[in-house]
Amino acid sequence: DQQVKQNSPSLSVQEGRISILNCDYTNSMFDYFLWYKKYPAEGPTFLISISSIKDKNEDGRFTVFLNKSAKHLSLHIVPSQPGDSAVYFCAASPMDSSYKLIFGSGTRLLVRP
Amino acid sequence: EAGVVQSPRYKIIEKKQPVAFWCNPISGHNTLYWYRQNLGQGPELLIRYENEEAVDDSQLPKDRFSAERLKGVDSTLKIQPAELGDSAVYLCASSYGPEAFFGQGTRLTVV
Repeated sequence: DQQVKQNSPSLSVQEGRISILNCDYTNSMFDYFLWYKKYPAEGPTFLISISSIKDKNEDGRFTVFLNKSAKHLSLHIVPSQPGDSAVYFCAASPMDSSYKLIFGSGTRLLVRP
Repeated sequence: EAGVVQSPRYKIIEKKQPVAFWCNPISGHNTLYWYRQNLGQGPELLIRYENEEAVDDSQLPKDRFSAERLKGVDSTLKIQPAELGDSAVYLCASSYGPEAFFGQGTRLTVV
């Protein structure tokens, strides 16, 4: 049973436009959500996170939105840059403070120059 | 600040052979994780340590996998004997809060 789902395996966007990556979760016990970026042959790099007490968190070009009622979160990148081309993983952590991260399967983003 | 260091980066072994991976976490991080990532999938937790204690090893295949974290710092993950299905990237991560920081991983190929 996949608790964190990223249903789009890939996304292609023109440079300068907005990239929107989506993530759905099924476990209502999750209360902290994170996005990681991964380049080939490297480990995942933490990008941005959001607590369940918020519905939006912004860091420069990256914004994460959380819709708890829909169990859905999204990552917006604007403007998109070619260097943003990578695999993006959504992860969720339960509210028991275990910091156990459950990852989605990832979305490969390609930003075309 | 140095990040999470893993070695080796790559390992090719024959099936039924043993293999070990080493991880040095970020200084001050009490929590250490070992994840396994199969091709086209997200990382899956194998084991999580709080200091020296393994607090979550429910996903670790204990018949062939073992791990230890001596003195609450470095950690090793061992597979013995390796099977073809163990081919994957093994990631170590550390944290002092909910954001985990990952090493570059060890790509294991079992032939």
